[in-house]
Parts: sequence; structure tokens; C-alpha cells
Amino acid sequence: DSGVTQTPKHLITATGQRVTLRCSPRSGDLSVYWYQQSLDQGLQFLIQYYNGEERAKGNILERFSAQQFPDLHSELNLSSLELGDSALYFCASSSSGTVSYNSPLHFGNGTRLTVT
Amino acid sequence: SQQGEEDPQALSIQEGENATMNCSYKTSINNLQWYRQNSGRGLVHLILIRSNEREKHSGRLRVTLDTSKKSSSLLITASRAADTASYFCATDKLIFGTGTRLQVFP
Repeated sequence: DSGVTQTPKHLITATGQRVTLRCSPRSGDLSVYWYQQSLDQGLQFLIQYYNGEERAKGNILERFSAQQFPDLHSELNLSSLELGDSALYFCASSSSGTVSYNSPLHFGNGTRLTVT
Repeated sequence: SQQGEEDPQALSIQEGENATMNCSYKTSINNLQWYRQNSGRGLVHLILIRSNEREKHSGRLRVTLDTSKKSSSLLITASRAADTASYFCATDKLIFGTGTRLQVFP
């Protein structure tokens, strides 16, 4: 068990809708990362938050947004959903007290999003 | 891009054999990490190697890093059916490649 909790595990919704994915990082971890994994594109980095502030941005669409709250949990909001947004969405956290890429990431088990 | 790219894309071996996976990247790095992903699950960190290290061991895992060639390899010795998974490398910018799918047959 990585200590990272993601909810919900599965989500089925229709095109055009909006969903929110939630992540609770491992206790003590300040950094949260969001990744999208689809069959044909591997693992794509979306965005990183550190202690409530956006720290790095990857291939995140404008229809997607995220935030990290004072209790360090994070939410990823996906709006105007399209069929191509169907994927596994992973949250990960890192144990470093400062922003550092020298610490391993601890992944949750993901939210499987299906857009119909 | 600092994306790691794994090679081969897929690998099938028998239990007891060794499995070698390679990772190439494009720019200078401070460290490189290897992860394993069982089907449909989150990634699990295996090992981190720093740019000033050439080789690192962890149990049946051996990782090498050649910064001059911008490449790394992961060797799993005496493989087991439970090693069946996808393996990813990630540079210190935490950009992952598409992974190597390893199938170990009993």
C-alpha cells in the first residue's frame, strides 16, 4: 500500500460532462502529481502541486484544471469531456519536504474514467 | 524533452531467465528512476540511480547508467512469473516513457 488514496476508482460519464477526481497524498508528502495513462500514449504528466502551489505543468489541456488544498489533498477537474479523455488518471506524491526530484513517487491505484 | 524511452516495447521470457530493459533519454539528468506497474495498478518505485553512479543493485535488480550515452538498463535476474509487469524509466523531471511490457512464463 503506497498510502496514496484516489477516489473514485471508476467513473463512467457522458461526453460534455464535468468530473472531479480526488487524491489524498501519503502522510507528510507535500508534492502531488497528476498523470494520465491511455492505451496508446503511455503515461503523460499533467501537473504538479507543491504545498498548495502549482509547480510544474505538463501536457494538461485547458479543459482540465487542478488544485491542492491546505490539507494537501488535491483535485483534478475535467470538463467538456470527450471520448478521447477516457483513460486511467493517476495521482502520485513525493516524500521530500522541499521540491525535489530526487525522491521516488508514490502512486495511487488510479481512477479509471470512461467517457461514453 | 527529457522523456525516457524504453526498449524493447515488449519482452517474453521463461522463468529463471534474465530480463534486460533499456532506457534512453535526451538531455542531461541528475538522476533516473525505474518503476514497475502491474496491470491496471499504480506504479511502484523500484530504484533510483544518481548521475554520478554507474551501477546500483537491489535484490534481483541491477541498474546501470551511462551518462555519456544517455542510457540506462534494468536487469532482472532469475525472473519469476510475478515479475510480469510493465517497467518504466523516468528522468529527474519525472517524465515517463511508454514502458517495456515484460511477460514471464512459468
